[in-house]
Amino acid sequence: KAGVTQTPRYLIKTRGQQVTLSCSPISGHRSVSWYQQTPGQGLQFLFEYFSETQRNKGNFPGRFSGRQFSNSRSEMNVSTLELGDSALYLCASSLGRQETQYFGPGTRLLVL
Amino acid sequence: AQSVAQPEDQVNVAEGNPLTVKCTYSVSGNPYLFWYVQYPNRGLQFLLKYITGDNLVKGSYGFEAEFNKSQTSFHLKKPSALVSDSALYFCAVRDSDSGYSTLTFGKGTMLLVSP
Repeated sequence: KAGVTQTPRYLIKTRGQQVTLSCSPISGHRSVSWYQQTPGQGLQFLFEYFSETQRNKGNFPGRFSGRQFSNSRSEMNVSTLELGDSALYLCASSLGRQETQYFGPGTRLLVL
Repeated sequence: AQSVAQPEDQVNVAEGNPLTVKCTYSVSGNPYLFWYVQYPNRGLQFLLKYITGDNLVKGSYGFEAEFNKSQTSFHLKKPSALVSDSALYFCAVRDSDSGYSTLTFGKGTMLLVSP
């Protein structure tokens, strides 16, 4: 069974731009969570989607948003990029909301 | 609020020696506990979890972890370290009694295994 895939793997943007990251969960997994990983803050929870609905949201500004489609694929969007948004963005999927999460390889975003 | 502490930023061990990576947690209810490993430029890879039952949990690649409720700890162990075990290790906790709680991660511990 294929693992979690994330596209693109690497991205370079400039301040003020917006970006959309994509995540395809493991087949059959209905829950998708997003995390931001930085050297200073570690792994921080962004949001969780299940059945196309956002179920939990972390402590991030409204510039960070996401959605989930009927096939469980998910996208997250960051608008008006700031230098501090440079990070590895990780997507994780699980069968259900309280099941073990399996992570994708991440998208490394660099904001210049 | 739930939290995880990994008190060591880095653990150094010689190949062939046993290794321990420490983790303590805080939740108001009963914990679900997880260990993940991250290799450079990769996502997190699931190693093992504790939900209920035996306090000693066995996972992938010869790793195991011991759940200690009285000490609120979930230390990761391996009897004989390999150089290829060198990576960043994360402990995570979820509160099983608080509905659909999120997964909270520790800051991570870098494990360096020398030949």
